[in-house]
Amino acid sequence: GQNIDQPTEMTATEGAIVQINCTYQTSGFNGLFWYQQHAGEAPTFLSYNVLDGLEEKGRFSSFLSRSKGYSYLLLKELQMKDSASYLCAVRDSNYQLIWGAGTKLIIKP
Amino acid sequence: TAGITQAPTSQILAAGRSMTLRCTQDMRHNAMYWYRQDLGLGLRLIHYSNTAGTTGKGEVPDGYSVSRANTDDFPLTLASAVPSQTSVYFCASSRANSGGADTQYFGPGTRLTVL
Repeated sequence: GQNIDQPTEMTATEGAIVQINCTYQTSGFNGLFWYQQHAGEAPTFLSYNVLDGLEEKGRFSSFLSRSKGYSYLLLKELQMKDSASYLCAVRDSNYQLIWGAGTKLIIKP
Repeated sequence: TAGITQAPTSQILAAGRSMTLRCTQDMRHNAMYWYRQDLGLGLRLIHYSNTAGTTGKGEVPDGYSVSRANTDDFPLTLASAVPSQTSVYFCASSRANSGGADTQYFGPGTRLTVL
């Protein structure tokens, strides 16, 4: 079956760096997405990786290794507003997104 | 630009009753999707539509039906609600259900409780 694994919850300190990992086993691979979801709100797009390597976008970076079925989202200079859930999703061979359960990130002052 | 709107925001429904969740987008996106989100689980695809006039089944389609009469609207109907359909329902859209960096944009969600 298809599976996306992420840690359930992580805690970090304001101003620090945190890395959220995602491992996947899917039928085919057509890209990996990271979304941010604040409590009670809709998911919003953060990043997209389809080739191996690092994609940087301001304070957020996302890394992909297709051979290892692995990605991470790196958040730098953490701010209180970064407290949210971070969702990893893989587009499979049918071009459907398979979603992880999300990682709840708690930022402490 | 409104993006994607959903209605109602929340609803309490008696088991056995029917209900239609509404979704409208103004981005002229071809593809639309319905997901449900339950605690501890990832978003699960219920139904999708690649273009007006076509629909397809997702991972958890049983108990739900959809229609896509035009580009903008994609209603989700529960014919006879059961408590296991208690969830938060998100509608999403994308330019096309294809590869590349084509991302999905989500509506604000409908919180449904079936008693």
